[in-house]
Amino acid sequence: KQEVTQIPAALSVPEGENLVLNCSFTDSAIYNLQWFRQDPGKGLTSLLLIQSSQREQTSGRLNASLDKSSGRSTLYIAASQPGDSATYLCAVTGTASKLTFGTGTRLQVTL
Amino acid sequence: DAGVTQSPTHLIKTRGQQVTLRCSPISGHKSVSWYQQVLGQGPQFIFQYYEKEERGRGNFPDRFSARQFPNYSSELNVNALLLGDSALYLCASSSGTGGALETQYFGPGTRLLVL
Repeated sequence: KQEVTQIPAALSVPEGENLVLNCSFTDSAIYNLQWFRQDPGKGLTSLLLIQSSQREQTSGRLNASLDKSSGRSTLYIAASQPGDSATYLCAVTGTASKLTFGTGTRLQVTL
Repeated sequence: DAGVTQSPTHLIKTRGQQVTLRCSPISGHKSVSWYQQVLGQGPQFIFQYYEKEERGRGNFPDRFSARQFPNYSSELNVNALLLGDSALYLCASSSGTGGALETQYFGPGTRLLVL
């Protein structure tokens, strides 16, 4: 059974700092890994999707890497802003084509 | 173009009641999936439908059921509600058969509170 873990559970950083969020998964037989953003009480916004054959994806200040063999992914956020405050979820897609999510990292960027 | 829409946005029910949640996928999308997100946890997969057929089912009791209509919209039904069913229910759609390589687009969710 696939299990996804995210560390840390919560993180508070001052504005302008670069930060890294971590995601690990137990079964390397995945098709892709996706990072989502969730604002309080809201739905999910897809940030980056990395196919299993890829090593990383970039979008603006966000960079996600994938090491499938070790079961790890990182989301790097450069020059953080207060508007980045949200919960960040990673999810992997396996053979059943369902998404298996981690519990998320709650990020707060302070002024 | 409108994204995935869900109704209602919020709902309060009492234990033992039944509830129906609705989802309209992005225009042209034929696959719909349902997820349950309990407060403080990541979403858990409930169902996936494609062309009105159930394609996948998560580890949820038979009190949970769903269906998909010819226009690809979907309903999630939960019978005999328990306090533990209180959660945000998310619907996602994708453009193809719902296969593993497709991006899923999520709706804003329905917040269900069971008292």
